[in-house]
Amino acid sequence: EVQLVESGGGLVQPGGSLKLSCAASGFTFSRFGMGWVRQAPGEGLEWVSAMSGMDTKTFYADSVKGRFTISRDNSKNTLYLQMNSLRGEDTAVYYCAKDGSGSYSYFYYMDVWGKGTTVTVSS
Amino acid sequence: DIVVTQTPLSLSVTRGQPASISCMSSQSLRHSDGKTYLSWYLQRPGQPPHLLIYEASNRFSGVPDRFSGSGSGTDFTLNISRVEAEDVGVYYCLQSIQLPLTFGGGTKVEIK
Repeated sequence: EVQLVESGGGLVQPGGSLKLSCAASGFTFSRFGMGWVRQAPGEGLEWVSAMSGMDTKTFYADSVKGRFTISRDNSKNTLYLQMNSLRGEDTAVYYCAKDGSGSYSYFYYMDVWGKGTTVTVSS
Repeated sequence: DIVVTQTPLSLSVTRGQPASISCMSSQSLRHSDGKTYLSWYLQRPGQPPHLLIYEASNRFSGVPDRFSGSGSGTDFTLNISRVEAEDVGVYYCLQSIQLPLTFGGGTKVEIK
């Protein structure tokens, strides 16, 4: 069964840091692009970041560029999101998602989603 | 950035009746490779989103055939031929032809 399990969320003060993890199973992790989507309380979906499959290009929303870093460890089948300089507007459920297209260098649609991990930025 | 506009904001439908959701993008989503990068997702209450339709009209594995996607260029539609109780939730479209990827604002579907 294809599965994504996020962890690492929690309460952090403004300006603080947090690192999210997404453990993948049931597919050849290294072959697929992976990404993060967030949802603020009561709001819609917002794409945050993605990393392509084979050539590991990285992509970021303007709202997190320079503060968040996406990475992956293919030996551990795990995707990460390092979040620095956190702000109140980063408060959200963060979902990990797998690219369904199998693209070498981009990220086209999300065919598998994790259940999410909650990040709360507050003093 | 490509703006994706969904209408209506909400929809109340009788079980067994059809429903239709529109998604309009500010730029064409047709790629030079011939594919159209528009996908549809349903988020049921308290659950993560899941994929319904990709590349505008391809039904994802396991998705009931009462769901269909159509459209081209900048105008797209998700149709549900006969709404069931399990179809309640918020529907989102996503454009992925250009960064940043952008979602529509969502359409909330409820049963009358």
